[in-house]
Amino acid sequence: GESVGLHLPTLSVQEGDNSIINCAYSNSASDYFIWYKQESGKGPQFIIDIRSNMDKRQGQRVTVLLNKTVKHLSLQIAATQPGDSAVYFCAENQGAQKLVFGQGTRLTINP
Amino acid sequence: EAGVVQSPRYKIIEKKQPVAFWCNPISGHNTLYWYLQNLGQGPELLIRYENEEAVDDSQLPKDRFSAERLKGVDSTLKIQPAELGDSAVYLCASSLASGTDTQYFGPGTRLTVL
Repeated sequence: GESVGLHLPTLSVQEGDNSIINCAYSNSASDYFIWYKQESGKGPQFIIDIRSNMDKRQGQRVTVLLNKTVKHLSLQIAATQPGDSAVYFCAENQGAQKLVFGQGTRLTINP
Repeated sequence: EAGVVQSPRYKIIEKKQPVAFWCNPISGHNTLYWYLQNLGQGPELLIRYENEEAVDDSQLPKDRFSAERLKGVDSTLKIQPAELGDSAVYLCASSLASGTDTQYFGPGTRLTVL
């Protein structure tokens, strides 16, 4: 079946640097994508979303890029802080509110 | 405003025992979801409710799992009997409605089956 996947399971960055987390999706019919952040012992927390008619969307310190040609999604976090340490999931809306989550990338911040 | 509330936060049971999880969604949210999250994996949908109607339960193992949302607000997910492989985090989420409304997650219930 079609699924959402991630290129890397772990990412380690220096505090203050920018982080880029990647995600590949395979369902070309998906029209909505979401990034969630999950800290240890907590549920996923909504970060930012993007619809398929957009290529880029910016939030506070975060930017999501969507490349439909290669079915690729990325999350950029500017000036990474210790509080950004978490597992990040991309999720794909395959219709009728059915979210399919990727495996996740663990982001670790080095002081 | 309170977020999605789940209880208990942790549960340890022996295999073949029953267990139940409770969820109270965000006030006014008509759509409620139960997800299963295995260690190191993303959440997987078990069931979705629109008010009190289960509109997608295709991934719910119906031989041992059941769920209800009697008054279209709180929901209960039950496993009977539990198996070792059921050890996971059970997440509840809610959204205003269907479509692309944002899903907000609760903290989850971590189930350990011994």
